[in-house]
Amino acid sequence: AQSVAQPEDQVNVAEGNPLTVKCTYSVSGNPYLFWYVQYPNRGLQFLLKYITGDNLVKGSYGFEAEFNKSQTSFHLKKPSALVSDSALYFCAVRVRTGANNLFFGTGTRLTVIP
Amino acid sequence: EPEVTQTPSHQVTQMGQEVILRCVPISNHLYFYWYRQILGQKVEFLVSFYNNEISEKSEIFDDQFSVERPDGSNFTLKIRSTKLEDSAMYFCASTIGLAGGPGYNEQFFGPGTRLTVL
Repeated sequence: AQSVAQPEDQVNVAEGNPLTVKCTYSVSGNPYLFWYVQYPNRGLQFLLKYITGDNLVKGSYGFEAEFNKSQTSFHLKKPSALVSDSALYFCAVRVRTGANNLFFGTGTRLTVIP
Repeated sequence: EPEVTQTPSHQVTQMGQEVILRCVPISNHLYFYWYRQILGQKVEFLVSFYNNEISEKSEIFDDQFSVERPDGSNFTLKIRSTKLEDSAMYFCASTIGLAGGPGYNEQFFGPGTRLTVL
């Protein structure tokens, strides 16, 4: 069965510093991996995805994520955090064949401190 | 930029009542989904819909739930007899589903309907 783990409920980082939001997954087969961001009272916004190819994928708002198959991880990163990046971040996985629905992690609240 | 819309933004109902949550997916999308997020918990898949029928559903999506695409634009989720534990934020999502199948493409989410069952 698919599962996604986001080990940190909360991540605090100073503005201008690099940020990392961690995600590990467990699936039977090769995964499709996604990051979404949720701002207060808003829906989920797509940030980036890994399907195949280059393990480093770049997405919206300067975010990037690195797929690591041996560690079954897909950590979200940004070189320089902005206060406006403060939000709830969700990692999600979808198995390549069969089900096309998303399995979400529990979310990580990112707070960027001015 | 096209977006998924949902109405109402907030629905309050009494336990045992029927509710219908409405969604307008992005117009050229082919796959539609409902998810829910109980307060403070993760987003959970309910059901996916393609070609006018359910393609997948989770254990949460029991006989109390149904979905419908009554016309070319709306996609609805009906809860026949609401329970207290149905209180949650319900998200509609859609994806274009081309180029290798729906799994290849990201899903676009609406802003959600907050359902409160009293």
